[in-house]
Amino acid sequence: EPEVTQTPSHQVTQMGQEVILRCVPISNHLYFYWYRQILGQKVEFLVSFYNNEISEKSEIFDDQFSVERPDGSNFTLKIRSTKLEDSAMYFCASSDSWSNTGELFFGEGSRLTVL
Amino acid sequence: AQSVAQPEDQVNVAEGNPLTVKCTYSVSGNPYLFWYVQYPNRGLQFLLKYITGDNLVKGSYGFEAEFNKSQTSFHLKKPSALVSDSALYFCAVCSSGNTGKLIFGQGTTLQVKP
Repeated sequence: EPEVTQTPSHQVTQMGQEVILRCVPISNHLYFYWYRQILGQKVEFLVSFYNNEISEKSEIFDDQFSVERPDGSNFTLKIRSTKLEDSAMYFCASSDSWSNTGELFFGEGSRLTVL
Repeated sequence: AQSVAQPEDQVNVAEGNPLTVKCTYSVSGNPYLFWYVQYPNRGLQFLLKYITGDNLVKGSYGFEAEFNKSQTSFHLKKPSALVSDSALYFCAVCSSGNTGKLIFGQGTTLQVKP
C-alpha cells in the first residue's frame, strides 16, 4: 500500500539553527500539507500546497517557515531559525482530491526537538 | 470559527464491550467530518468520514460513526472492542471551502482492557 514517508524521524537542533524536514508524498497525489502536534496538544494545520504554491496557511506559519517541492517527489518544510516552541511532531500529508471529500494520508511524523 | 470538541480525555472499556468516543463540532456551512486514529509513534490513519447521505457511516476495523445534525455530534462507535483498538482517536472537521485544512479535536485515548 502506498504511503507517505518522512525523514528524519527525529531531529535535535540548537535554537536558532535552520531545519529542513522532508516528505515523500504518495506518488499520484497533488495536494500536500504540513501539520504539527506539540506534545500533549492538538494536531494543528500549518500549510497546504498545490501546483507549486501555497494554497492556505495558518497563523502559525510565519516568515520563519517555508515549503518547497524541489523536484517531482519531495516536499519539504524549512524552519529558518528554530525556537524552543517549535519543538513538536511535524506531520506531512497528501491527498489526491481537491475537495473536502478526500481523506488525507499522513506520514509517521518527524519529531523536532529544539534545545 | 470552526471547532471540534472531544469531551473525554480517556475512555476505558473492556474487550468485547461496545465503545463510544464522543465528538461535537461547530462549523459554518456543511460539515465534513472525519475520524483518525493514531497508534504509538505512528502517523494518523484515516478511519471514516461523513460528507453527505446516510447519517451512519462505516469505516475501517469495524468502526462506525453517527452524524447527528441537531446535536452537532459525530460519535465514533464499535459494537465489540478489541485490545488492539487501544490508541488515540481524533475527530476532525473541514467545512466547505477549506480543502485539506482539518480542524482536529484534542484527541481521546481509548484503552481496551482484556
